[in-house]
Amino acid sequence: RKEVEQDPGPFNVPEGATVAFNCTYSNSASQSFFWYRQDCRKEPKLLMSVYSSGNEDGRFTAQLNRASQYISLLIRDSKLSDSATYLCVVNYNAGNMLTFGGGTRLMVKP
Amino acid sequence: DVKVTQSSRYLVKRTGEKVFLECVQDMDHENMFWYRQDPGLGLRLIYFSYDVKMKEKGDIPEGYSVSREKKERFSLILESASTNQTSMYLCASSLREEQYFGPGTRLTVT
Repeated sequence: RKEVEQDPGPFNVPEGATVAFNCTYSNSASQSFFWYRQDCRKEPKLLMSVYSSGNEDGRFTAQLNRASQYISLLIRDSKLSDSATYLCVVNYNAGNMLTFGGGTRLMVKP
Repeated sequence: DVKVTQSSRYLVKRTGEKVFLECVQDMDHENMFWYRQDPGLGLRLIYFSYDVKMKEKGDIPEGYSVSREKKERFSLILESASTNQTSMYLCASSLREEQYFGPGTRLTVT
């Protein structure tokens, strides 16, 4: 079983739609959580951290459910520029090593 | 802005060749990482380093070695390249948890 699992997609949505991705992790001792974004043929970049209380950054909302060991990312009012692969990332050991999920591909269509 | 650079965007090598991939960061980060990214497998950690001359194995170190003689530079070495090492190689650096990635080197071993 993978340590961080994501539905690879692709999720095909029209502009303006709301889309949500989930990610599950296997290690209950996980310390911190992130979403990274990776555009086609580009490097991953941090999108947002995920806090226990949930957090929002504009159209993006991230939530953490420790009891069920999953993380979610909600994107409201999707834009064409949101098309990318979204990587769920977990830090297990409170050090600086991150474990990456395989990514969920989002395609926003006009 | 953090800048992580990698020596080549594309590289083609023959089986059995020794291959050097170079990574340089300009933000005085302590931590540096080498990953490979393959379709369906996501990012997998090969080696990382917390300080000059220090190195730790990641999840898939077999067939690779690393060198960190200066803080800003982290090199990945394929001692004898094999076709199953054809992949996208990504270098990253971090001060704490957020990792900054270089643009990647797409290595093809024929």
